[in-house]
Amino acid sequence: NAGVMQNPRHLVRRRGQEARLRCSPMKGHSHVYWYRQLPEEGLKFMVYLQKENIIDESGMPKERFSAEFPKEGPSILRIQQVVRGDSAAYFCASSPQFTYEQYFGPGTRLTVT
Amino acid sequence: AQTVTQSQPEMSVQEAETVTLSCTYDTSESDYYLFWYKQPPSRQMILVIRQEAYKQQNATENRFSVNFQKAAKSFSLKISDSQLGDAAMYFCAYNSGAGSYQLTFGKGTKLSVIP
Repeated sequence: NAGVMQNPRHLVRRRGQEARLRCSPMKGHSHVYWYRQLPEEGLKFMVYLQKENIIDESGMPKERFSAEFPKEGPSILRIQQVVRGDSAAYFCASSPQFTYEQYFGPGTRLTVT
Repeated sequence: AQTVTQSQPEMSVQEAETVTLSCTYDTSESDYYLFWYKQPPSRQMILVIRQEAYKQQNATENRFSVNFQKAAKSFSLKISDSQLGDAAMYFCAYNSGAGSYQLTFGKGTKLSVIP
């Protein structure tokens, strides 16, 4: 049973470019979460999605960040016009319905130059 | 807002010995969930153990066990018979339940295992 998949594992973008991070949940999981980890910090919640619905985006920055989880395909975290402060590790997690356990992917390390 | 505090930025333990990592949290909820995650150098977040607040019995997973003190809002992780592979960052996390699915993490404790 494959775990949570994230790609790319490493992404380098120049300031002003767009970053797209992908997440495929574990088989049978219908809930996806995105977290951001800054250096020397714990993970910070960004957004919680179910298929075609954003359930909780209270941790998402108001501008430049968006997320989707379409009916078909992976969840996408999109960062427009990246700035150096966006450099971080972005983790995706998934869970089955009606459970509070979350299983994490290996993360995408975004570097903005 | 809920907060999770890990007061030990770094810990070390001799191989085969026992170590306890501390975690405290702040909440006004009576029913919630607590987790310990391990993050080795690969950065993969691995779920180590979970505890439901309504359960009085402390959770145990092989060499890992917790000491859950609800009144004190304390949730420590004990690792017995420490192994080199236990070296990692350990994060305590809280979920308030009641339809809120976001995890709140502490800043982590870096555990070193000395051969």
